[in-house]
Amino acid sequence: LAKTTQPISMDSYEGQEVNITCSHNNIATNDYITWYQQFPSQGPRFIIQGYKTKVTNEVASLFIPADRKSSTLSLPRVSLSDTAVYYCLVRTGGFKTIFGAGTRLFVKA
Amino acid sequence: AAGVIQSPRHLIKEKRETATLKCYPIPRHDTVYWYQQGPGQDPQFLISFYEKMQSDKGSIPDRFSAQQFSDYHSELNMSSLELGDSALYFCASSMGQGREETQYFGPGTRLLVL
Repeated sequence: LAKTTQPISMDSYEGQEVNITCSHNNIATNDYITWYQQFPSQGPRFIIQGYKTKVTNEVASLFIPADRKSSTLSLPRVSLSDTAVYYCLVRTGGFKTIFGAGTRLFVKA
Repeated sequence: AAGVIQSPRHLIKEKRETATLKCYPIPRHDTVYWYQQGPGQDPQFLISFYEKMQSDKGSIPDRFSAQQFSDYHSELNMSSLELGDSALYFCASSMGQGREETQYFGPGTRLLVL
């Protein structure tokens, strides 16, 4: 199973762009990269998913370089309510899903 | 849009008791996953079901069992509860088994074992 590595924590200020990078050196050809956001005592919430290049939706962008060994979640203009834990997941086929240690983002006023 | 439903939302049990957690997936989703998240920890995959059959197994204790029913809802049965079983239990559902299929998580059941 592909292992993911993310920074343990990040701080930012309201209105700034935040980029969280995830390393997944052992990603396989058919694997997708998915990011989730989790608030305390709530279930993880799907943010964005991609396979290669760039994916954008209404809340975030996901950048994946050609070698796919890393990915970067970009949150434009964060607000206090974006303070949460962000998880990068790589689905490796089958159903077992391994959550790595997420990134604790703290947004300050 | 309909989401994953879990019940109960909160549960308090004594040591050595049993507990049953229920999960109702998003309509038309045929795959269910169970996760355990201890205090300050990351979610740990327990078990999954696809089309009512167990599809994968993670770090699920032998004291726990689960199944998926004909209407695709799933139940996690926990016996001989231990203090260490106190955690948030999440259920997620997806449509199909493809790697690109997104898992959508429920709000969780908070289990406290005294």
